[in-house]
Amino acid sequence: DAGVIQSPRHEVTEMGQEVTLRCKPISGHDYLFWYRQTMMRGLELLIYFNNNVPIDDSGMPEDRFSAKMPNASFSTLKIQPSEPRDSAVYFCASSLYDRVYGYTFGSGTRLTVV
Amino acid sequence: AQSVTQLGSHVSVSEGALVLLRCNYSSSVPPYLFWYVQYPNQGLQLLLKYTSAATLVKGINGFEAEFKKSETSFHLTKPSAHMSDAAEYFCAVSQSGGYNKLIFGAGTRLAVHP
Repeated sequence: DAGVIQSPRHEVTEMGQEVTLRCKPISGHDYLFWYRQTMMRGLELLIYFNNNVPIDDSGMPEDRFSAKMPNASFSTLKIQPSEPRDSAVYFCASSLYDRVYGYTFGSGTRLTVV
Repeated sequence: AQSVTQLGSHVSVSEGALVLLRCNYSSSVPPYLFWYVQYPNQGLQLLLKYTSAATLVKGINGFEAEFKKSETSFHLTKPSAHMSDAAEYFCAVSQSGGYNKLIFGAGTRLAVHP
């Protein structure tokens, strides 16, 4: 199994541009999570999906952020328009329903907005 | 609601010394508890987990943790630190209810000195 795959690994964009982060979860996992990590705020849960349906998006900071999961093998996190304060590492994680398994994290996307 | 407190945002030890990273949890129901490790520029990796079986749990790289219900603790230990253990460590508790949601602590950065 290739694990959770995120792309791109690094993204540098100018303020005001649209940014799309991508995630492919582990096959068979029915939960998908998007996290943001910064030095100041640590790990923040942005949104999570169960069977492709968004369950809790209360962590999404603003309307500029949106996430979709069109099928079980793909999810996107979009920021439009991007701002310098969005600079962070964004992680995707997936898991099985049974909470005994914990999460498997991707390697993250380091986003820099200049 | 469940929560996790990691005591000490930074811990520094000498190579060969005991590693002790502290984690206390709050939960109204029997918890599932996890330790994750994050090496520089990488995602989080599951180190070990407690899922109501043995209270002493062994993980990868020589780490272990003991679940102590009376103290609501799940401290992570390793008898002898190695330089390669330098990383950030996160304790997490699985939230009860119908959905698989992990609550993460703020993390502890471990430095290992020669």
